[in-house]
Amino acid sequence: DGGITQSPKYLFRKEGQNVTLSCEQNLNHDAMYWYRQDPGQGLRLIYYSQIVNDFQKGDIAEGYSVSREKKESFPLTVTSAQKNPTAFYLCASTPQGRPGNEKLFFGSGTQLSVL
Amino acid sequence: GNSVTQMEGPVTLSEEAFLTINCTYTATGYPSLFWYVQYPGEGLQLLLKATKADDKGSNKGFEATYRKETTSFHLEKGSVQVSDSAVYFCAQARGGSNYKLTFGKGTLLTVNP
Repeated sequence: DGGITQSPKYLFRKEGQNVTLSCEQNLNHDAMYWYRQDPGQGLRLIYYSQIVNDFQKGDIAEGYSVSREKKESFPLTVTSAQKNPTAFYLCASTPQGRPGNEKLFFGSGTQLSVL
Repeated sequence: GNSVTQMEGPVTLSEEAFLTINCTYTATGYPSLFWYVQYPGEGLQLLLKATKADDKGSNKGFEATYRKETTSFHLEKGSVQVSDSAVYFCAQARGGSNYKLTFGKGTLLTVNP
């Protein structure tokens, strides 16, 4: 079955540590997105990529980094510069990078907590 | 700037009750509007959408009408079920190429038997 796989489901970060969240899709979608979900805050866009080897900052990119070396993969690194990383992270994709015209497909999320 | 405001929850209903979750937006121009649903422990799924004024989106018994005059996109269902318990997000597409979505804060709905 086609879909988006996020791993791990739960992740713990020690202070000063960088951690990487995995997102893989086999939908052959061009565009991929990372959102952060905080209780009572809705979803906020961290980074997005509309094509391989290209990505743009979203609304809250500080303290995060991404890469898009392969079409199917869009890993997110939460760096030590992100002072409040505890949140639920959601990866999503669309066929052509137009989520206003296309359905967003979401993974099942990764819960990141600070030890 | 562009924003989405939806009613705060939680909303608790009995099975077969009528549901309304209010959503209003601010935007330049006429964005596309969406409702996404998140079941416990999962990502979001598109529930319905409307792309222009007076359009009605519908799916699984849920409906929402794009009201330009009131800048609203309220979600309604005539008879909710326990399986409808989830978090509901209103969203709008912004940007000239519709390449970003702005989400509301979400409304938790709990339906009791």
